Amino acid sequence: GQQVMQIPQYQHVQEGEDFTTYCNSSTTLSNIQWYKQRPGGHPVFLIQLVKSGEVKKQKRLTFQFGEAKKNSSLHITATQTTDVGTYFCNLYGGSQGNLIFGKGTKLSVKP
Amino acid sequence: EAGVAQSPRYKIIEKRQSVAFWCNPISGHATLYWYQQILGQGPKLLIQFQNNGVVDDSQLPKDRFSAERLKGVDSTLKIQPAKLEDSAVYLCASSFLTSGEWVSYNEQFFGPGTRLTVL
Repeated sequence: GQQVMQIPQYQHVQEGEDFTTYCNSSTTLSNIQWYKQRPGGHPVFLIQLVKSGEVKKQKRLTFQFGEAKKNSSLHITATQTTDVGTYFCNLYGGSQGNLIFGKGTKLSVKP
Repeated sequence: EAGVAQSPRYKIIEKRQSVAFWCNPISGHATLYWYQQILGQGPKLLIQFQNNGVVDDSQLPKDRFSAERLKGVDSTLKIQPAKLEDSAVYLCASSFLTSGEWVSYNEQFFGPGTRLTVL
């Protein structure tokens, strides 16, 4: 069945450093979504990627969808303390798969 | 715009007891999801509804969990009987249904969740 791996599990950075989390699927995806969950909060939608090789930017956040539509990354440039939280990918495998969340990457930022 | 509403916010029960959670999605959202999030893990999809029909319940432990969305709006999730390993946050989410699509994969709006503790 469809499986997802998200790495790293934890990332501790100094404020101003960059951060990247990666999401890898065992099968080709229809689309991928990224969510952020603050401590004690609920997941909040960040972006959805649909096209092969797609790159989207939101201010300091850059999202990429792999050419083979089996992996994705979220990159944050010059982290700030407001970026603290857990970042999840949510995969949709299309008619051959299900909706699956990754285990998340927990980001802590030291001021 | 009102968000996804869930109640109760917290629930403490003993094992083998029953519990029910309620969710009211954003008005006009045809798709409703129930997730289980165990501490330190990603949300796990339990069931997905499209209006009042079930799209995916492959990960719902049907021997103890049940869910319904009778009028295609509100939904309830029930656990009977509860086990210790059911301790988790139960999240409800909703999304728009894209015209022409059977399975919606649009942005999901999450409610605040119900934190369940089974003793």
